[in-house]
Amino acid sequence: LAKTTQPISMDSYEGQEVNITCSHNNIATNDYITWYQQFPSQGPRFIIQGYKTKVTNEVASLFIPADKKSSTLSLPRVSLSDTAVYYCLVGDFFDGGYQKVTFGIGTKLQVIP
Amino acid sequence: GAVVSQHPSRVICKSGTSVKIECRSLDFQATTMFWYRQFPKQSLMLMATSNEGSKATYEQGVEKDKFLINHASLTLSTLTVTSAHPEDSSFYICSARLGGGAKNIQYFGAGTRLSVL
Repeated sequence: LAKTTQPISMDSYEGQEVNITCSHNNIATNDYITWYQQFPSQGPRFIIQGYKTKVTNEVASLFIPADKKSSTLSLPRVSLSDTAVYYCLVGDFFDGGYQKVTFGIGTKLQVIP
Repeated sequence: GAVVSQHPSRVICKSGTSVKIECRSLDFQATTMFWYRQFPKQSLMLMATSNEGSKATYEQGVEKDKFLINHASLTLSTLTVTSAHPEDSSFYICSARLGGGAKNIQYFGAGTRLSVL
């Protein structure tokens, strides 16, 4: 499993765009990148998943450079309710079965009024 | 879609008792479910992988006789903490894997806060 490295914490003001970068230097060709959000005392919530280039949904965008050694989760115009821990996970999900994922320490995003 | 229900949300029990936690996928079938444990200010630690109709696969260091997992149907997995002790107090979270077009995305329950007195 590819190891991931994220900043431990980030602060942002309300209304700003927040970019959280995750490094995964030993990512494999077939690996996907998935981001989850976790609020205190709740289970993580799926945000977005990507394989290459850029993926966008109603919540966030995920930018993946050609070498896939990093990825950036972009949250547009954050609000106080976006204060949470964000996890980046990497794994090959096409192996015909399941692949367990390993959660790193995540990035604690604090949105400031 | 892809809702996972976990019950109970909070349990307080005396040392030595057993506690059962249920994890249900409400609108999809989950051949694989996962059980995690999370201590305060730490990340999620995978305890075991539960496959429907077969024995669970436990991570190293997790006692299978203490944390009994049953995955009898495609929508239900249970975790029983047997003879719970204060050191078992933690936040337990289950997830169910949604395969197919959404590759290996895990959908999580709300978690169960276990407090052993």
